Amino acid sequence: NAGVTQTPKFRVLKTGQSMTLLCAQDMNHEYMYWYRQDPGMGLRLIHYSVGEGTTAKGEVPDGYNVSRLKKQNFLLGLESAAPSQTSVYFCASSYRLSGSGDTQYFGPGTRLTVL
Amino acid sequence: AQSVAQPEDQVNVAEGNPLTVKCTYSVSGNPYLFWYVQYPNRGLQFLLKYITGDNLVKGSYGFEAEFNKSQTSFHLKKPSALVSDSALYFCAVRDGRGSTLGRLYFGRGTQLTVWP
Repeated sequence: NAGVTQTPKFRVLKTGQSMTLLCAQDMNHEYMYWYRQDPGMGLRLIHYSVGEGTTAKGEVPDGYNVSRLKKQNFLLGLESAAPSQTSVYFCASSYRLSGSGDTQYFGPGTRLTVL
Repeated sequence: AQSVAQPEDQVNVAEGNPLTVKCTYSVSGNPYLFWYVQYPNRGLQFLLKYITGDNLVKGSYGFEAEFNKSQTSFHLKKPSALVSDSALYFCAVRDGRGSTLGRLYFGRGTQLTVWP
């Protein structure tokens, strides 16, 4: 049971390049999330998904797109990277919402630098 | 609107002493509260959560947190700090209403340093 995995771990892009970050989970979780972490700002939600084939915008969605074609995978795309997107990106997943409250489980992160 | 405040960017404590990392929150409905820890170059690890019931919640690695509804606080505590507890700690809150679909709102984080 690997939990939540992310690829790649590190990436350097030039302004205007595109890339896709992959998140995979093997816990059969319904919900998946993409966050970015910037110094002194905590984690901010980019996009999230409540199930296969559905996605929604979070707090800071501009410049990113996502897809959830399979339940276990959640892809984050940058169509035209900008230096402001230099950050550490975390994926997380959780069970379907329940009355007891869901714990989100996080991947190890992807460190992205845009030059 | 949901929000979390961690008023201290950094907390320093000597090994063996008790530690407290502070968190206050604001939600519209009943809060679900979480603490996560992040070690250098790692993802966030779940420590503990408060959903309902006993105001004192016990979690991993000897940590506990006390929910105080009147003060809207959820401070993280440990009776005796270890050097290995040094890490970045995040408090997070979720509104108990179903409409927020499990979204968490995180504080900015508190860097805990335990000196030997």
